[in-house]
Amino acid sequence: DADVTQTPRNRITKTGKRIMLECSQTKGHDRMYWYRQDPGLGLQLIYYSFDVKDINKGEISDGYSVSRQAQAKFSLSLESAIPNQTALYFCATSGGRDREKAFFGQGTRLTVV
Amino acid sequence: KNEVEQSPQNLTAQEGEFITINCSYSVGISALHWLQQHPGGGIVSLFMLSSGKKKHGRLIATINIQEKHSSLHITASHPRDSAVYICALSTGNQFYFGTGTSLTVIP
Repeated sequence: DADVTQTPRNRITKTGKRIMLECSQTKGHDRMYWYRQDPGLGLQLIYYSFDVKDINKGEISDGYSVSRQAQAKFSLSLESAIPNQTALYFCATSGGRDREKAFFGQGTRLTVV
Repeated sequence: KNEVEQSPQNLTAQEGEFITINCSYSVGISALHWLQQHPGGGIVSLFMLSSGKKKHGRLIATINIQEKHSSLHITASHPRDSAVYICALSTGNQFYFGTGTSLTVIP
């Protein structure tokens, strides 16, 4: 089983719909991150959380929200999806002895039509 | 602002060639990472460096802290090395990512 699991792996949704991407980890890490990847651009940080009670906006948080339900779970929501949110989304974790290293989920390919 | 610059953006090589991908950065770091992303999308970590040089099989990564520069070398390249290679920085609190180098190795 993967250490960092994202669901769904692929999703097509319509403009205006609310959608949630889920991430769970078995690494025991305290830090979790959501990134989006667009062609030609590096991974851009959407939100990050350093523990269950700590949620922070990243560089491109507009149009997104997150929930840290437990140390192992960090969900990303698009309240009203729009086509320019079509991208590949990654969840990552770090922490403990792995503080300097990020472990990535397999990614969620989201298409908003 | 680009904390991390990678070059080249795209690279095509013949099987067996020696390949170098470069990364320059502008911030203080606690570690630098080289990541590999295959067409399926998943990202895996190849190396984490804070100084010197590391080698794993045909892959070699070096870093010069004073010059804020790192290189990833692939010796005797193979078509299965075809992927996007991403330079990433960790500062202790955050990660910064380069835009990636897309490598295609032709048989």
